[in-house]
Amino acid sequence: ILNVEQSPQSLHVQEGDSTNFTCSFPSSNFYALHWYRWETAKSPEALFVMTLNGDEKKKGRISATLNTKEGYSYLYIKGSQPEDSATYLCARHRGQGNLIFGKGTKLSVKP
Amino acid sequence: DVKVTQSSRYLVKRTGEKVFLECVQDMDHENMFWYRQDPGLGLRLIYFSYDVKMKEKGDIPEGYSVSREKKERFSLILESASTNQTSMYLCASSLDQEADTQYFGPGTRLTVL
Repeated sequence: ILNVEQSPQSLHVQEGDSTNFTCSFPSSNFYALHWYRWETAKSPEALFVMTLNGDEKKKGRISATLNTKEGYSYLYIKGSQPEDSATYLCARHRGQGNLIFGKGTKLSVKP
Repeated sequence: DVKVTQSSRYLVKRTGEKVFLECVQDMDHENMFWYRQDPGLGLRLIYFSYDVKMKEKGDIPEGYSVSREKKERFSLILESASTNQTSMYLCASSLDQEADTQYFGPGTRLTVL
């Protein structure tokens, strides 16, 4: 198993704060990295799929960068809102269409 | 929109019972997956399938089996449920074997007493 590590495990911020968290993964034989958001009582929802070194993707106030050579990806949230509260998962694609997930970063945004 | 549905949101079973968890997707996806999620451990892959009647073991297949008789349906079977199989079970599907987004169902929280 090629481990995917996420940090921090949890994060508490105030509404309006910007925040970021990290996903690190083995850089060898890289194919793709996925980010998902998982809100309580809902299904995990895809945010980004990133494949190229130097990729930057953006969706509203959320953006992500990818460094495949050093094996990390950052997820940024600008001006956090209470509705951003969720667990953010990253996952490394490992062939045969399946993913290995990190343990997630649980974000809580206080109004 | 892709829709992945799971047969139950909550399920309570007794040790030794045979348990079926059903998953259906409506977008003609090739791949289907079963995960379990436990606190502090993240999502772990149990089994997956990339075609009808095909199945592959994931990272934690022990104690589970699967069935994929139709493309849209992927069943997870606990032959003899045990208390350590109490968990949240999530089904997912994706279009093909490339780096494609997985779409998840709402999950089934299984408690084995």
